[in-house]
Amino acid sequence: QVQLQESGPGLVKPSGTLSLTCAVSGGSVTSSNWWSWVRQSPGKGLEWIGEIFHSGSTDYNPSLKSRVTISVDKSNNQFSLKVSSVTAADTAVYYCARQGYYNMDVWGQGTTVTVSS
Amino acid sequence: EIVLTQSPGTLSLSPGERAALSCRASQSVSSTFLAWYQQKPGQAPRLLIYGASSRATAIPDRFSGSGSGTDFTLTISRLEPEDFAVYYCQLYSSSPPLYTFGQGTKLEIK
Repeated sequence: QVQLQESGPGLVKPSGTLSLTCAVSGGSVTSSNWWSWVRQSPGKGLEWIGEIFHSGSTDYNPSLKSRVTISVDKSNNQFSLKVSSVTAADTAVYYCARQGYYNMDVWGQGTTVTVSS
Repeated sequence: EIVLTQSPGTLSLSPGERAALSCRASQSVSSTFLAWYQQKPGQAPRLLIYGASSRATAIPDRFSGSGSGTDFTLTISRLEPEDFAVYYCQLYSSSPPLYTFGQGTKLEIK
């Protein structure tokens, strides 16, 4: 079955760029699914960040759109997230997820990112 | 943006009891786009229900979803010890594409 694993730095400095990767195993990032990033912070609960299809098509949460880029790497069967100009408000657990039928049916275990100097 | 409001914030029940968790949308939505998740401490959310009433793979039949329009309910018929967790509803909106979550209901052991 499909498994997802997030990776990336756990600490990012304010005004810097947060970069995470989600490795897909047991399946292909070029399947018919879209792939999402979701974050969870104590202050804002679960927040959808955006999604990507293997063609490169993306959709972003309007509240984050100006700072977020999601990309796909078909050769390495993974997709990535970048959030620029981070502040303490971007401190959260970041999850990658596979999208099913208007839901997220497979999730990674999550990775904690702290924004601090 | 459509807002999802879950109630109650915390529900205290005993194993064997029935639980009913509410999710209310700020405007009428298609039930096709409503899902429910369970999250335990230190774990990722797990999909329970999609399309408002369809159980996801391997979800026990004590979990059921219902509702339409603005009011949706997740029901757990007989609580097992492993069911005590936080539950979230989630909505997909298409213009623009956006997934939103409710603030969650914590189901705790009484």
